[in-house]
Amino acid sequence: GEEVAQTPKHLVRGEGQKAKLYCAPIKGHSYVFWYQQVLKNEFKFLISFQNENVFDETGMPKERFSAKCLPNSPCSLEIQATKLEDSAVYFCASSQRTNAGELFFGEGSRLTVL
Amino acid sequence: SQQGEEDPQALSIQEGENATMNCSYKTSINNLQWYRQNSGRGLVHLILIRSNEREKHSGRLRVTLDTSKKSSSLLITASRAADTASYFCATAGSSGGFKTIFGAGTRLFVKA
Repeated sequence: GEEVAQTPKHLVRGEGQKAKLYCAPIKGHSYVFWYQQVLKNEFKFLISFQNENVFDETGMPKERFSAKCLPNSPCSLEIQATKLEDSAVYFCASSQRTNAGELFFGEGSRLTVL
Repeated sequence: SQQGEEDPQALSIQEGENATMNCSYKTSINNLQWYRQNSGRGLVHLILIRSNEREKHSGRLRVTLDTSKKSSSLLITASRAADTASYFCATAGSSGGFKTIFGAGTRLFVKA
């Protein structure tokens, strides 16, 4: 597609429940990035992919967060056993090139943990 | 901690005035980018300046980069109410890796 598509737009989960977010990058873009934005503040980098390979996961809270980009499927970000502090907007971005290139962002998925 | 830090945190100006936002960063970079975020929306790329460039223009936007001071500024001339948004600087490192680091942003309010 011509834009990064993120689903769902909103997701509400009770504490301890699982949350799964999806991202379809722009067609032809090999690089996918996930960011977390809390309270309209700074964007925290979570993880990046080149195609289906993880390249940088230094931002991921590994105990409960996992992400995948499989061929012919949207990328996904999954949070097991959500906590209140996971409430945030999760943005996906894609890029044609490496970190030297412009990032194209989706509209985000707002996760609310109650 | 995040690399880019913008100042001011918030800026309020009248339509027609110029708005200047600054960004500082800590490590060496490959390039620096500025993005805009309208309320509740995703980031939109505005301009990219490479580490070997000092100034770049795009329409009403002017970006400068001083690698010796590890700082950049974004100037929006003749601002409009539609420029009201949050502006973020982002850095891509020269040491490799696949992440672009964002600062906390400057919230710009342009009053009509």
